[in-house]
Amino acid sequence: AQSVSQHNHHVILSEAASLELGCNYSYGGTVNLFWYVQYPGQHLQLLLKYFSGDPLVKGIKGFEAEFIKSKFSFNLRKPSVQWSDTAEYFCAVEGSGGGADGLTFGKGTHLIIQP
Amino acid sequence: DAMVIQNPRYQVTQFGKPVTLSCSQTLNHNVMYWYQQKSSQAPKLLFHYYDKDFNNEADTPDNFQSRRPNTSFCFLDIRSPGLGDAAMYLCATSRDPTGGWSQETQYFGPGTRLLVL
Repeated sequence: AQSVSQHNHHVILSEAASLELGCNYSYGGTVNLFWYVQYPGQHLQLLLKYFSGDPLVKGIKGFEAEFIKSKFSFNLRKPSVQWSDTAEYFCAVEGSGGGADGLTFGKGTHLIIQP
Repeated sequence: DAMVIQNPRYQVTQFGKPVTLSCSQTLNHNVMYWYQQKSSQAPKLLFHYYDKDFNNEADTPDNFQSRRPNTSFCFLDIRSPGLGDAAMYLCATSRDPTGGWSQETQYFGPGTRLLVL
């Protein structure tokens, strides 16, 4: 069975600090990888995704993530965070073998940015 | 704007009283999903519809059922809610070309928070 592990459940940073949230997955095949963000009181929104091609993907709001196949990792990064980045961040994976699969989510990382 | 709509945003029911949550979409996506998200936990897939084909996750309790009368609407029925079913229920949609290998992003609705008294 596939699984997703997010290393940090809570992260507190100051504005302008650099961010890296870890994500590792376990799956017996090729995968599609996602980072979703959930701002307080709002629904899940896609930050970025990797299906194939360049393993460094750029998303909205200055976020990027790098897929390292050998490490089964898809870490999220942002060079300089803002107070408005305070939110819950979920890494998710689905099999890429065709058809439609649901997403398997990590437990999430609660990011708090202090002004 | 095209979107995924869930009604109501908050639903209160009594222990054992059947409840139905609804989801509609204007994206004309052929796949619709229901996830359960309990407090401080990750969303967990309950089941999904690929067109009219229902796909249940192995560990989804029988208490949870779903209906999809047409492309736009999908319902989650909880036959006898227990206290442990209190959660946020998320609907999502995606487009998957028939017989194709490409997959697309899932778009989530705002969720319905279910309280069981």
